[in-house]
Amino acid sequence: DIQMTQSPSSLSASVGDRVTITCRASQSISSFLNWYQQKPGKAPNLLIYGASSLQSGVPSRFSGSGSGTDFTLTITSLQPEDFATYYCQQSYSTPTFGQGTKVEIK
Amino acid sequence: QVQLQESGPGLVKPSETLSLTCAVSGYSISRGYYWGWIRQPPGKGLEWIGIIYHSGSISYNPSLNSRVTISVDTSKNQFSLRLSSVTVADTAIYYCARYSRSAGADYWGQGTLVTVSS
Repeated sequence: DIQMTQSPSSLSASVGDRVTITCRASQSISSFLNWYQQKPGKAPNLLIYGASSLQSGVPSRFSGSGSGTDFTLTITSLQPEDFATYYCQQSYSTPTFGQGTKVEIK
Repeated sequence: QVQLQESGPGLVKPSETLSLTCAVSGYSISRGYYWGWIRQPPGKGLEWIGIIYHSGSISYNPSLNSRVTISVDTSKNQFSLRLSSVTVADTAIYYCARYSRSAGADYWGQGTLVTVSS
């Protein structure tokens, strides 16, 4: 199966900061990469699909890029409601998630 | 509006079989998409269990393959999970979701906590 590795595992940031989370696949997955946000006690919420397509209703401060094995989720101007855990997930083959990145308040 | 709702016992004894059902409303399973199960141990990350297509095509997480069965009942518009020989390590919140390879998991159930304990 394809392994997904996210970095960092956690980060501290302030409101208004630009935040970047990376995700690396153990083999090429083309653009079959999705990003989710999860808040405590809630189901994950799809943010980005196909590496760079913004899910309907998701604020434009979220963006995704990359292809092959290396991908990035960027949040421009971090908002209070963005403090959460973020997961990447490959859909090239049997789905697998990264281990998650927790974004905390500095 | 597509909605998914998990149901099933919240407590299962070790070595027994965990059984959950996901009822789908607002969308007919037979129209398409994959339908999947994901779990999350308390305080830990997400783990994909498996996916099923309305036609019955299935893909399981290799680490759980020998213990997992996912099935679909299009007449009831629901799909189910069975996980056999459970241990305390299977204690988790179990989610069901609608999934496609090109667009990810776009609709999720609220999740149900299943505790494995004697």
